[in-house]
Amino acid sequence: GAGVSQSPSNKVTEKGKDVELRCDPISGHTALYWYRQSLGQGLEFLIYFQGNSAPDKSGLPSDRFSAERTGGSVSTLTIQRTQQEDSAVYLCASRTRGEAFFGQGTRLTVV
Amino acid sequence: QKEVEQNSGPLSVPEGAIASLNCTYSDRGSQSFFWYRQYSGKSPELIMFIYSNGDKEDGRFTAQLNKASQYVSLLIRDSQPSDSATYLCAVNHSGGGADGLTFGKGTHLIIQP
Repeated sequence: GAGVSQSPSNKVTEKGKDVELRCDPISGHTALYWYRQSLGQGLEFLIYFQGNSAPDKSGLPSDRFSAERTGGSVSTLTIQRTQQEDSAVYLCASRTRGEAFFGQGTRLTVV
Repeated sequence: QKEVEQNSGPLSVPEGAIASLNCTYSDRGSQSFFWYRQYSGKSPELIMFIYSNGDKEDGRFTAQLNKASQYVSLLIRDSQPSDSATYLCAVNHSGGGADGLTFGKGTHLIIQP
């Protein structure tokens, strides 16, 4: 596609439910990043995929968070048993070399 | 730990003046540097990149890089209210991997009409 696509754009979920967030990176981009951004805060790195290498999961805040990237393209971030502190904008970015391109994000609200 | 530091602000600048945004980084092996602008409620968008020491100009924007001092800055001339946003510095490190691209926390810039 022309840019990084994320879905849904907004998600409201009840505390304790599982959610899946999707990222479709720019075609051909080998690297894919997930970030989280709470209101008024900076980017918090979550997880990184590079080609077929094992992902770097060092930023995931708890074992409730997991992510997959299938076929080196689309990625899904899953949050299990959501908590109110998970409420944030989840941003996906992709790149090869040089700059990273961001999707429009998924705004997650846990009520 | 590869770090990128920015003053969080807010940095308040009168309209028409020069806004100066600063960023320092810890890894001397860093090779390329990016400035992103993020409007409230929007995603970051790239506005400048710089690879070599010195200045790089693009319209009202100038990026300045000093690798010896591990310092990169962004100057915005003739600041406009539409420049009010958070500016994120990103550094591409030599080691690659997840920390091959590290973002600062951003500086909140306010242009006062």
